[in-house]
Amino acid sequence: KAGVTQTPRYLIKTRGQQVTLSCSPISGHRSVSWYQQTPGQGLQFLFEYFSETQRNKGNFPGRFSGRQFSNSRSEMNVSTLELGDSALYLCASKLLATGDSTNEKLFFGSGTQLSVL
Amino acid sequence: SQQGEEDPQALSIQEGENATMNCSYKTSINNLQWYRQNSGRGLVHLILIRSNEREKHSGRLRVTLDTSKKSSSLLITASRAADTASYFCATGAITGNQFYFGTGTSLTVIP
Repeated sequence: KAGVTQTPRYLIKTRGQQVTLSCSPISGHRSVSWYQQTPGQGLQFLFEYFSETQRNKGNFPGRFSGRQFSNSRSEMNVSTLELGDSALYLCASKLLATGDSTNEKLFFGSGTQLSVL
Repeated sequence: SQQGEEDPQALSIQEGENATMNCSYKTSINNLQWYRQNSGRGLVHLILIRSNEREKHSGRLRVTLDTSKKSSSLLITASRAADTASYFCATGAITGNQFYFGTGTSLTVIP
């Protein structure tokens, strides 16, 4: 079974531009979450999607948005990039099954390293 | 913030020694998980302990959970150079579906 795939692996943008990151979850996984990781802040939760609906959202400005498609693939978009948006963006998928917490573990992709100049 | 915190932030030990790292969290939880991250890569799930469990083992890993103190510890026995990585705890809240990650412990195992 293929793991979580994130593209691109590296991205360099300039301030003011926008960027779209892609995530393909493990086949059969319907929940996709996004995290921002920076050296000073650790992993910060951005949002989670399930069945094309955003279920949870972290404390990030509206410049950060996402969506999920019917095949569970997800994209996140950051508009009007700022220097502080430079980070490793991680996507994680989860097999959602009620009543069994062993299925709550997250499977992470390798991330997209975004540098904003 | 509802994030957990790992302690220590950094740990350096000799190969063969045991490594212990701790995690404190703030909210009531359904489960607590530990993940490992090699430099610049994604996180890999190590072990999950439910809120009604006190201790769990998996290979060289031993996890304890004290819900009254809202804390957990991860013990790696007989460490190897390949264990060099950052370790994060993640708490699954009783309500909602998001996980809160700690700030991580950076472990260096010296051969």
